[in-house]
Amino acid sequence: GENVEQHPSTLSVQEGDSAVIKCTYSDSASNYFPWYKQELGKGPQLIIDIRSNVGEKKDQRIAVTLNKTAKHFSLHITETQPEDSAVYFCALISRITGGGNKLTFGTGTQLKVEL
Amino acid sequence: GAGVSQSPSNKVTEKGKDVELRCDPISGHTALYWYRQSLGQGLEFLIYFQGNSAPDKSGLPSDRFSAERTGGSVSTLTIQRTQQEDSAVYLCASSFGTGFLFTEAFFGQGTRLTVV
Repeated sequence: GENVEQHPSTLSVQEGDSAVIKCTYSDSASNYFPWYKQELGKGPQLIIDIRSNVGEKKDQRIAVTLNKTAKHFSLHITETQPEDSAVYFCALISRITGGGNKLTFGTGTQLKVEL
Repeated sequence: GAGVSQSPSNKVTEKGKDVELRCDPISGHTALYWYRQSLGQGLEFLIYFQGNSAPDKSGLPSDRFSAERTGGSVSTLTIQRTQQEDSAVYLCASSFGTGFLFTEAFFGQGTRLTVV
């Protein structure tokens, strides 16, 4: 099945610094790449997504870049704040046997923003 | 409802007992997903419903796990004869579309299952 590798597994940054999380994949048919943020005790929440017809998308302090040739996509958070501390998951669409699609997730990155 | 609702939020059960977890998706969402998240781990795909049909059940960990969806809305995940390794957070998500134009999947807050 589809495999998504996510790095790093943990990331500590100083408040105000940037954070970058990278994911690589193998299925060239994937065309939708979301990023989810999960705070303690809550379900994952979509923060940004990108489709394969664009290379970069930005939403305030968050940006995602996609390199379909190299099969990797990255999350960039600038001017990090303590409330950015959470677990971040990358994901992509993969086919389900019998029809339909599902989200396959990376293993997650624990981001800690230190004061 | 305003979002995906799961119940119960927490469940402690004795080993060997059956449990039923419930998911109420966002109204109008035809696609519904169940995932399992073990402590400190990623999200493991269990099963997907398009309407009331589940085209692929191979993600279910064992034959003790089953799921159904009725009326294209509420779904239940049933675990029979629970084992300690079933302890995890069970997450449900729903989305409007699941084809080429995949749309955002919204997650519930999860059910934390503890088997003692």
